[in-house]
Amino acid sequence: GEDVEQSLFLSVREGDSSVINCTYTDSSSTYLYWYKQEPGAGLQLLTYIFSNMDMKQDQRLTVLLNKKDKHLSLRIADTQTGDSAIYFCADRYTDKLIFGTGTRLQVFP
Amino acid sequence: DAGVTQSPTHLIKTRGQQVTLRCSPKSGHDTVSWYQQALGQGPQFIFQYYEEEERQRGNFPDRFSGHQFPNYSSELNVNALLLGDSALYLCASSLQGANNEQYFGPGTRLTVT
Repeated sequence: GEDVEQSLFLSVREGDSSVINCTYTDSSSTYLYWYKQEPGAGLQLLTYIFSNMDMKQDQRLTVLLNKKDKHLSLRIADTQTGDSAIYFCADRYTDKLIFGTGTRLQVFP
Repeated sequence: DAGVTQSPTHLIKTRGQQVTLRCSPKSGHDTVSWYQQALGQGPQFIFQYYEEEERQRGNFPDRFSGHQFPNYSSELNVNALLLGDSALYLCASSLQGANNEQYFGPGTRLTVT
């Protein structure tokens, strides 16, 4: 079946950039999403990219898509302590979302 | 503009019991999807409802069933609860035919003892 994989942890210093990576297997992927989940909370939609795009920028967030390698990344510029959370990559497969296991981002001063 | 709401927030049930979880979609949305998120995992798709019918289903047993009402709100029912059903149950709403941006509610934390 379709699968999405992410690294489990990332630790960065406040003010640095964070890059969270994701790989997926779906060849017919149309949309790919990034969600943020804080402890005990639901998922917050951060941004998404359509499969015919290579890059999308939204304020501090930059999404890069390499369709050939089926690789997606989320760059957070000027990372703040409030960015500490779990970040999920999700692939739209038919009308359902296939999620990775999430990357826990820890920001230290 | 109210976002996606879910009730209850927390629930504790005993093995073998039945549970009903509720979801109200974001204003203007007509599609509701349910996901199960086990501790330390990503959400897993259970099923999706549109026009009061189940449109898609994930790899979950028939003990999991749902319903969508004319006002687009939805219920998730789980029968014969197992310990392994303990999880965060997330509801997401979206607008059919759009880019499938799914907006999630805060979830219902179900504990089965």
